[in-house]
Amino acid sequence: EAGVAQSPRYKIIEKRQSVAFWCNPISGHATLYWYQQILGQGPKLLIQFQNNGVVDDSQLPKDRFSAERLKGVDSTLKIQPAKLEDSAVYLCASSSRLAGGTDTQYFGPGTRLTVL
Amino acid sequence: AQSVTQLGSHVSVSEGALVLLRCNYSSSVPPYLFWYVQYPNQGLQLLLKYTSAATLVKGINGFEAEFKKSETSFHLTKPSAHMSDAAEYFCAVFGNQFYFGTGTSLTVIP
Repeated sequence: EAGVAQSPRYKIIEKRQSVAFWCNPISGHATLYWYQQILGQGPKLLIQFQNNGVVDDSQLPKDRFSAERLKGVDSTLKIQPAKLEDSAVYLCASSSRLAGGTDTQYFGPGTRLTVL
Repeated sequence: AQSVTQLGSHVSVSEGALVLLRCNYSSSVPPYLFWYVQYPNQGLQLLLKYTSAATLVKGINGFEAEFKKSETSFHLTKPSAHMSDAAEYFCAVFGNQFYFGTGTSLTVIP
């Protein structure tokens, strides 16, 4: 079974530029998560999708971050414009259960973003 | 509201010694608790999870954790550390959303 795929693995941009990250979850997984992991901290949930609908985006900075999951499969997370404090690893995870959070989340390798 | 606190951002043990990583949780609802491991430049991998069944949970790679409601703790242990256990470990709680601790970096000394 293929794991969660993310691209790119690394990205360096200047502040005020835009950037997009892509995630392909495990086939058949209904739930998809985007996390932000700042160096020295644990992952923080940004947004959770169930199929192509948003379940929770309460911690997503909506003035600059956006995410979509068209057709309930792949997802894209965008930052526009980027700030220095956005430097972090962006993790995508997926799980198979439709409801509840006790099912195992499978994480991708992450995208390391550096904003200069 | 839910949160987890991991005591000790860095832990060093000798190879073959007991591993003990501490996690205390706060939850207004019966919690689901998790331990994840993260190797350098990789995503998180689930070690084990507590979902209100047995209080002693066994995971992969010889790790286990015990849910103690009276102490609001979910400490991770392994009887004998191996060099390959060196990694970052995260405790997480799920009430209505996942909350991760700040992580504990485990160093294994040969």
